[in-house]
Amino acid sequence: AQKITQTQPGMFVQEKEAVTLDCTYDTSDPSYGLFWYKQPSSGEMIFLIYQGSYDQQNATEGRYSLNFQKARKSANLVISASQLGDSAMYFCAMREGHPTGANNLFFGTGTRLTVIP
Amino acid sequence: GAVVSQHPSRVICKSGTSVKIECRSLDFQATTMFWYRQFPKQSLMLMATSNEGSKATYEQGVEKDKFLINHASLTLSTLTVTSAHPEDSSFYICSAREVPGRAQYFGPGTRLLVL
Repeated sequence: AQKITQTQPGMFVQEKEAVTLDCTYDTSDPSYGLFWYKQPSSGEMIFLIYQGSYDQQNATEGRYSLNFQKARKSANLVISASQLGDSAMYFCAMREGHPTGANNLFFGTGTRLTVIP
Repeated sequence: GAVVSQHPSRVICKSGTSVKIECRSLDFQATTMFWYRQFPKQSLMLMATSNEGSKATYEQGVEKDKFLINHASLTLSTLTVTSAHPEDSSFYICSAREVPGRAQYFGPGTRLLVL
């Protein structure tokens, strides 16, 4: 089974509007971390936001927020006030085990976001 | 945030030659580094986990004799693609973890084209 599922291959959003990128995950480990990365056309993976499985509150980083619904095993990324520079591929990822462990990140297939002027 | 560099950013080589890619953590020590491969319009696929001072752990289906990984210090890991062939053409990305810590930082990637 896929550990990370991103069901939206592509999304469009009007500039200045908010957009939600979906991510569901599958794990039996009670300790895990969820990540979102942005990959522009240059190829660099840019870390956006992190949510730990034991974190009580949803993570926020500037215009990025993570809608963490543990029971549903979903970790959707919300981008508020979209900007043209937000156009990129977005990957959801998960690491199982202790946050400081050396386990690998499992990546979803990504969502290509296009911001329309 | 922490910075991970990769060199070279782009390389074109002839079939049969070997190519070395360097990955450095610039402002933190990384006991663990990861090497990924990404084909166009696809996700990142883990190739191997590199631990400082020990042998790398390769994912299933990755030839360890073809993709040599050396993690010689806490700030440097190298990936050598030996006897490269056109099917090895891809985007190779390294990643490093700051220990202790949650974050995993990625290098800018290396585009390899084997003619």
